[in-house]
Amino acid sequence: GAVVSQHPSWVICKSGTSVKIECRSLDFQATTMFWYRQFPKQSLMLMATSNEGSKATYEQGVEKDKFLINHASLTLSTLTVTSAHPEDSSFYICSARDPGGTFSYEQYFGPGTRLTVT
Amino acid sequence: QKEVEQDPGPLSVPEGAIVSLNCTYSNSAFQYFMWYRQYSRKGPELLMYTYSSGNKEDGRFTAQVDKSSKYISLFIRDSQPSDSATYLCAMSPLGAQKLVFGQGTRLTINP
Repeated sequence: GAVVSQHPSWVICKSGTSVKIECRSLDFQATTMFWYRQFPKQSLMLMATSNEGSKATYEQGVEKDKFLINHASLTLSTLTVTSAHPEDSSFYICSARDPGGTFSYEQYFGPGTRLTVT
Repeated sequence: QKEVEQDPGPLSVPEGAIVSLNCTYSNSAFQYFMWYRQYSRKGPELLMYTYSSGNKEDGRFTAQVDKSSKYISLFIRDSQPSDSATYLCAMSPLGAQKLVFGQGTRLTINP
């Protein structure tokens, strides 16, 4: 099946610094990737939809300048949390759609990145 | 009102029980209905999907969609401790890129 990886799996950073999270589709080309945020015991909150070669579409209430998304290739999307603050601490998960898959609406999820800002 | 409502639980049942998980929704444009399973500190994985109304069975799992009531269900028969996870329903209109997720129900199967 389609595999999506994320790196790093866990990161601790100091307040005010920036952190970059990578999301890769390993065995398929993903024209569309998604970034979610998940708080403990809560559902997935879609942050943005990322299409290869174009600007990301952010959901209402998500700060574009704080959460920078770059989908530079068909297998890689990055999320950069700029000037991180403790309230940005969360579980960030990416997903990707495989346009050549059996069910095109399926999103394949990465294992997630736990960000802790101290 | 949220587009998709799902009881967060937690739900705890003994091994071997039949589990029923449900979601309601308000958007009549939803055509694809999915159930994802998420283990702790992992990304969700797709369990089953259905298109429009009807039932779909896959081993111990059965998904049901009742569009007239805007209600979907996932049944797990002969539940196992390994089924302990959070189950999220997700939905999409035809042609849409993104999915709308329910809050997720935390399920624990006790040996």
